[in-house]
Amino acid sequence: GQNIDQPTEMTATEGAIVQINCTYQTSGFNGLFWYQQHAGEAPTFLSYNVLDGLEEKGRFSSFLSRSKGYSYLLLKELQMKDSASYLCAVTDSNYQLIWGAGTKLIIKP
Amino acid sequence: GAVVSQHPSRVICKSGTSVKIECRSLDFQATTMFWYRQFPKQSLMLMATSNEGSKATYEQGVEKDKFLINHASLTLSTLTVTSAHPEDSSFYICSARTSGEVDTQYFGPGTRLTVL
Repeated sequence: GQNIDQPTEMTATEGAIVQINCTYQTSGFNGLFWYQQHAGEAPTFLSYNVLDGLEEKGRFSSFLSRSKGYSYLLLKELQMKDSASYLCAVTDSNYQLIWGAGTKLIIKP
Repeated sequence: GAVVSQHPSRVICKSGTSVKIECRSLDFQATTMFWYRQFPKQSLMLMATSNEGSKATYEQGVEKDKFLINHASLTLSTLTVTSAHPEDSSFYICSARTSGEVDTQYFGPGTRLTVL
């Protein structure tokens, strides 16, 4: 079966750095996405990785290792507004998005 | 980035009535749109894939006669929840897929449906 695992909840301090991990087992791989979702809102696109390595975009970076079926989202200089759920999603061989359950990130002052 | 809108944002209806939700891609043409349902504290669940000009493809367990999908144009898809029941109360989200360098889905803001 297809499976995406990410931690249910994480807590971090304002100004600090946090890494959210995602491991996946899917039939085929055509890219991995990270989305941010605030409570009661739809997800917003953060990043896309299809090749191994680190993609940096401002305070957010995303890493992919296809051989390990592993990705992480790195958030630097955390702000209170970063409190949200972070969803990892993989595009499989049929170009369908397979979703993780999301990681709820709580930022404390 | 690409913008997708949904209307209405919130709807409350009586049990047994039908509700139509619109999803529009505002600044790009989307040959494929997706409809998701999100239960509290759970991941997004794909309901169906909608391709312009053809019948939608429904995921296993989703009743196509209950959740009618119409993708009338490259910028509009509609989801109609027929004979709604309280258990249909949920957050319904559409997305539209762009084509190009990165095949990305952009999401609408979602529609909160409450069936009394």
